[in-house]
Amino acid sequence: DAGITQSPRHKVTETGTPVTLRCHQTENHRYMYWYRQDPGHGLRLIHYSYGVKDTDKGEVSDGYSVSRSKTEDFLLTLESATSSQTSVYFCAIMGPRDTGGTEAFFGQGTRLTVV
Amino acid sequence: KQEVTQIPAALSVPEGENLVLNCSFTDSAIYNLQWFRQDPGKGLTSLLLIQSSQREQTSGRLNASLDKSSGRSTLYIAASQPGDSATYLCAVTGNYGQNFVFGPGTRLSVLP
Repeated sequence: DAGITQSPRHKVTETGTPVTLRCHQTENHRYMYWYRQDPGHGLRLIHYSYGVKDTDKGEVSDGYSVSRSKTEDFLLTLESATSSQTSVYFCAIMGPRDTGGTEAFFGQGTRLTVV
Repeated sequence: KQEVTQIPAALSVPEGENLVLNCSFTDSAIYNLQWFRQDPGKGLTSLLLIQSSQREQTSGRLNASLDKSSGRSTLYIAASQPGDSATYLCAVTGNYGQNFVFGPGTRLSVLP
């Protein structure tokens, strides 16, 4: 299994508070992603990173920011949490395979509840 | 904008049946297509990856095919088992390093 861990796994927070989720990889892959998964919407990209300090927005980036100061860590911050950000958040990494192509691996997810 | 659809949305079959899950995408300029499995409350597990130059990939009882020109992929599961019950998602990647677009998934139930 690819070495990718998310923390925390579960979190309950109050509306208006900042929240930071962490994704850590041991694969030294260049590309890292944050997705959210919601019923009826599937998986939607929030932000992604293509290298240290290189990030870009996905389709649902409003209210979120990211940082990547090291190859192995990709942080997602909810600047001021709202109830609409209650979701399951997944981190993913993507890198080359020995047999060709690029393959994505996902973390176990963080279940965030904003009350 | 790439869009990915999956049919059927849900499927319930008795144990032992062979079954096919379908994935369609609108832009044929893909780099990869990847099939994932997701168990309830869990993350996504990679099942099969097909590069754009390939036609199919096999792993055990799973076989995935790709017809890039028609924008279709199928996941074939042979001799289904209750342990195969999960949601199956396909995702396509554009150029290397860009994000992958997911389909909504097919929820599979295999009844003992």
